[in-house]
Amino acid sequence: DVVMTQSPLSLPVTLGQPASISCRSSQSLVYSDGNTYLTWFQQRPGQSPRRLIYKVSNRDSGVPDRFSGSGSGTDFTLKISRVEAEDVGVYYCMQGTHWPRTFGQGTKVEIK
Amino acid sequence: QVQLVESGGGVVQPGGSLRLSCAASGFTFSSFGMHWVRQAPGKGLEWVAFIRPDGSNKYYLDSVRGRFTISRDNSKNTLYLQMNSLRPEDTAVYYCAKGDWDWGQGTLVTVSS
Repeated sequence: DVVMTQSPLSLPVTLGQPASISCRSSQSLVYSDGNTYLTWFQQRPGQSPRRLIYKVSNRDSGVPDRFSGSGSGTDFTLKISRVEAEDVGVYYCMQGTHWPRTFGQGTKVEIK
Repeated sequence: QVQLVESGGGVVQPGGSLRLSCAASGFTFSSFGMHWVRQAPGKGLEWVAFIRPDGSNKYYLDSVRGRFTISRDNSKNTLYLQMNSLRPEDTAVYYCAKGDWDWGQGTLVTVSS
């Protein structure tokens, strides 16, 4: 199975400051169709997860543009340009290239 | 808008069975693959199973293969997860999710004697 490794696992951030989460996969996530199926989810406290970013860097409708995704191959990053209070929660990366689908351990973002 | 409503969770003894349902609305159910994902209390997300739009192919997490069966009824816009031989480590909130990752609210399954 593809192992997804996130860091850090805990990320205290000052409001208005940037935040960055790393996600590394144990195998390349480039699929045979040329796409890279790396997805980022946000799970706010007490809520279901919500997709933020798909195929590495594509923001979902309604996702603020302070969220951005980047990377290639086995190394990916989610960035929040200026953290707001509503960004508190746990962020997961997930690979959708190989079966079984696998998630990272999650990164808890909290306000300092 | 997309709505996914899970039901069927509850408390069951080890070795017991449960069937979860996920009622879908707001989209053409028969056009989308569907996932089950679980989250143990205080833990991260774990993908469980996937079924293609026409039910032709199914994929499972190794630890549930042979015990869990994913299925769907496109005439009823409903996804199912039949869970047999349940173990305490299957205790989790079970979410259904649309193939492009809209999520339901989840249903709690507790396996305990």
